[in-house]
Amino acid sequence: SQQGEEDPQALSIQEGENATMNCSYKTSINNLQWYRQNSGRGLVHLILIRSNEREKHSGRLRVTLDTSKKSSSLLITASRAADTASYFCATVPREGAQKLVFGQGTRLTINP
Amino acid sequence: KAGVTQTPRYLIKTRGQQVTLSCSPISGHRSVSWYQQTPGQGLQFLFEYFSETQRNKGNFPGRFSGRQFSNSRSEMNVSTLELGDSALYLCASSTMPGLNTEAFFGQGTRLTVV
Repeated sequence: SQQGEEDPQALSIQEGENATMNCSYKTSINNLQWYRQNSGRGLVHLILIRSNEREKHSGRLRVTLDTSKKSSSLLITASRAADTASYFCATVPREGAQKLVFGQGTRLTINP
Repeated sequence: KAGVTQTPRYLIKTRGQQVTLSCSPISGHRSVSWYQQTPGQGLQFLFEYFSETQRNKGNFPGRFSGRQFSNSRSEMNVSTLELGDSALYLCASSTMPGLNTEAFFGQGTRLTVV
């Protein structure tokens, strides 16, 4: 079963705008990761944030983690057409099997 | 450094047949995981191998099996294929098990069962 719930399911914005995607999860986690997928191809790792971290940056990406609310957000600033893709959050549970538990993803479309 | 290589990229099989998918991890990576992606169920964990041992297994029937070789290459096998097995099968490799580091995914094998 999916642990992560992502919001919104689809997002369409104009090039240059910022895009924010949210992810909620249910159980305690070891870390949370964000991935991008273009048109049903392989997943590309974006950022890993550990449970004791609150914020992380990588280029135009900013990820926050609130373990008290069991939620995370991914912000893409100054969006580009090439950012059009599906974005998934994935959690690694603290207990039990060490595996990536994915959300359903957010489909992001950047309009030129 | 070469990425994760999955073969074949596309496959069409008939119900009842079996199929074997292959994954070559990044050189030096010893942990390999497999995921199934379908429109209805999303991305679901199949199994993880490290040093030729299956460490974890997802909630899939016994028709789904896998193995890892001494060179870390991994194969997964699906027997008695069903229409619902049509999916994108993704393999991921990482340096160590436990997923405290990033996982690198291959391009996937798209399996269609007719």
